[in-house]
Amino acid sequence: AQSVTQPDIHITVSEGASLELRCNYSYGATPYLFWYVQSPGQGLQLLLKYFSGDTLVQGIKGFEAEFKRSQSSFNLRKPSVHWSDAAEYFCAVGAKYGNKLVFGAGTILRVKS
Amino acid sequence: DTAVSQTPKYLVTQMGNDKSIKCEQNLGHDTMYWYKQDSKKFLKIMFSYNNKELIINETVPNRFSPKSPDKAHLNLHINSLELGDSAVYFCASSQAALAGGGTDTQYFGPGTRLTVL
Repeated sequence: AQSVTQPDIHITVSEGASLELRCNYSYGATPYLFWYVQSPGQGLQLLLKYFSGDTLVQGIKGFEAEFKRSQSSFNLRKPSVHWSDAAEYFCAVGAKYGNKLVFGAGTILRVKS
Repeated sequence: DTAVSQTPKYLVTQMGNDKSIKCEQNLGHDTMYWYKQDSKKFLKIMFSYNNKELIINETVPNRFSPKSPDKAHLNLHINSLELGDSAVYFCASSQAALAGGGTDTQYFGPGTRLTVL
């Protein structure tokens, strides 16, 4: 069965600083990986996804993520955080067969000015 | 145009009542989902329908009954509401499973915050 761990419940960074949110997954085959963002009171918006190919994927809003099979990780990064990036971020893994997504518990990002 | 819409946005009701949440998608997708996000923000799939047929049912109490009148709509009916049903419920949609296998991107609605008193 798939599972996702996001080790950091909260992260606080200064505006303009770089960001890395960690995500580790457990899945016996090639995973399909996603990062979603949820702003307060809003639904989930897809930031980026990895299906195959280049292990460094670019997403919206200047985010990128790198798939590292050896570490079972799919960490999300942004070189310079903006105050509007404050939100909750969810990593998710999907199976090769079936459309079931399993989500991590989320990481709340706070941005200080 | 809203891709995945849900109504109502907020729902406050008493224990024991029966309520429904509606979901519609205009993306032309074949597959729709219901997720529950609890007070700790943990998001878990409840149901998935592909072209009006149930394909995922994740050990949800039978007080919850999804109904899909057509592939653009997936409604959630909840009978005999309990305090523990208080949560945010998200609808989502995606294309059918990818031809070679794999999980296609799911697009989420804005959520319905259900409060059971």
